[in-house]
Amino acid sequence: GAGVSQTPSNKVTEKGKYVELRCDPISGHTALYWYRQSLGQGPEFLIYFQGTGAADDSGLPNDRFFAVRPEGSVSTLKIQRTERGDSAVYLCASSSDRGLTEAFFGQGTRLTVV
Amino acid sequence: AQTVTQSQPEMSVQEAETVTLSCTYDTSESDYYLFWYKQPPSRQMILVIRQEAYKQQNATENRFSVNFQKAAKSFSLKISDSQLGDAAMYFCAYRSATGNMLTFGGGTRLMVKP
Repeated sequence: GAGVSQTPSNKVTEKGKYVELRCDPISGHTALYWYRQSLGQGPEFLIYFQGTGAADDSGLPNDRFFAVRPEGSVSTLKIQRTERGDSAVYLCASSSDRGLTEAFFGQGTRLTVV
Repeated sequence: AQTVTQSQPEMSVQEAETVTLSCTYDTSESDYYLFWYKQPPSRQMILVIRQEAYKQQNATENRFSVNFQKAAKSFSLKISDSQLGDAAMYFCAYRSATGNMLTFGGGTRLMVKP
């Protein structure tokens, strides 16, 4: 695609529910990143994929968070048993290699847990 | 762990004037990359300028330039001839030369007055 696409743009869910956030990277980009941006703060790293594998998941806050990229393209961030503290903008980025070139960001998904 | 600090939560500049946004970082590494990203209300992070730590020459991109002081671990962004479209959040970010994730500062909100 022309850019990194994230869906949905906004998601409101009830505490305790399960949510999935989708990221469609730029075609051909092998590296994909998820970041979380809480209100009034800078983005924080969650997980990095190189191809289909999670090369670095050290930023995932706990085992309620999980991400997959089964075919090396689209990625899904999954959050189980959502908590109000999970409310944030979730940003996805992709780049054409390990990251030596520019990472292009999507417009994010704003998740609100009520 | 690396940290990035932006000490100015908000800055204001008159249209056509020059403004400088500050950023300091902490690292024990000698090789790394520094970035300035712009985030408008659309939430999409847009790369403004990049600096490789091994390069002594300060990066420049049209009206945007940096003052990179490696010994002081300082990386400021200068915006010349400010335009209304420059109004946004600006984030300073660090990436290790051997790593893959970006570490962001807390951001500076830039307002441009007509």
